[in-house]
Amino acid sequence: DMKVTQMPRYLIKRMGENVLLECGQDMSHETMYWYRQDPGLGLQLIYISYDVDSNSEGDIPKGYRVSRKKREHFSLILDSAKTNQTSVYFCASSSVNTEVFFGKGTRLTVV
Amino acid sequence: AQKVTQTQTSISVVEKTTVTMDCVYETRDSSYFLFWYKQTASGEIVFLIRQDSYKKENATVGHYSLNFQKPKSSIGLIITATQIEDSAVYFCAMRLYDTNAYKVIFGKGTHLHVLP
Repeated sequence: DMKVTQMPRYLIKRMGENVLLECGQDMSHETMYWYRQDPGLGLQLIYISYDVDSNSEGDIPKGYRVSRKKREHFSLILDSAKTNQTSVYFCASSSVNTEVFFGKGTRLTVV
Repeated sequence: AQKVTQTQTSISVVEKTTVTMDCVYETRDSSYFLFWYKQTASGEIVFLIRQDSYKKENATVGHYSLNFQKPKSSIGLIITATQIEDSAVYFCAMRLYDTNAYKVIFGKGTHLHVLP
């Protein structure tokens, strides 16, 4: 079953707390992504990972970091979350000749 | 700059008619992939159809088809015989090479309303 799984689906955190968003895929895709989606702004690329320990900044990396220690798992970390990081976060994966497969998203609220 | 632009923020059509959503892109690459995705009311993002830049034939999947005009850097999505369930936000995307690696970038989306 081709799937990208995100956990948790909903999260409320206080400003200044650390946040860990987790993502897994079962397709052995080498490339994984983190996007955030805000109203009217579409999907903005935060980080992209080309394989284990091979990560690159996307268009809006500030305030985020990532970790990929296994091909099937990609984490997004917010150290000291800010209210402007309230958003919906999507994890995705792809291979060289495939489309991008998306998870169902994590709705993060920072209060 | 390499980018994807969807100028239509919202479109309303009556069901069973045909709708075209526009998308233009900019890229330095000679070979690239173009995609259309649908985001449903639940927030789920689903792949619909793709066009490889080296293919001259327009892709078709079910009641989705593409109008690929390479000289104009344009990839329109055509939905025929629209249904109420087609109401969603549609994103155009492009896979391109940037700084020796590839990534996928998205337009800002077009909200389609299919009315009874």
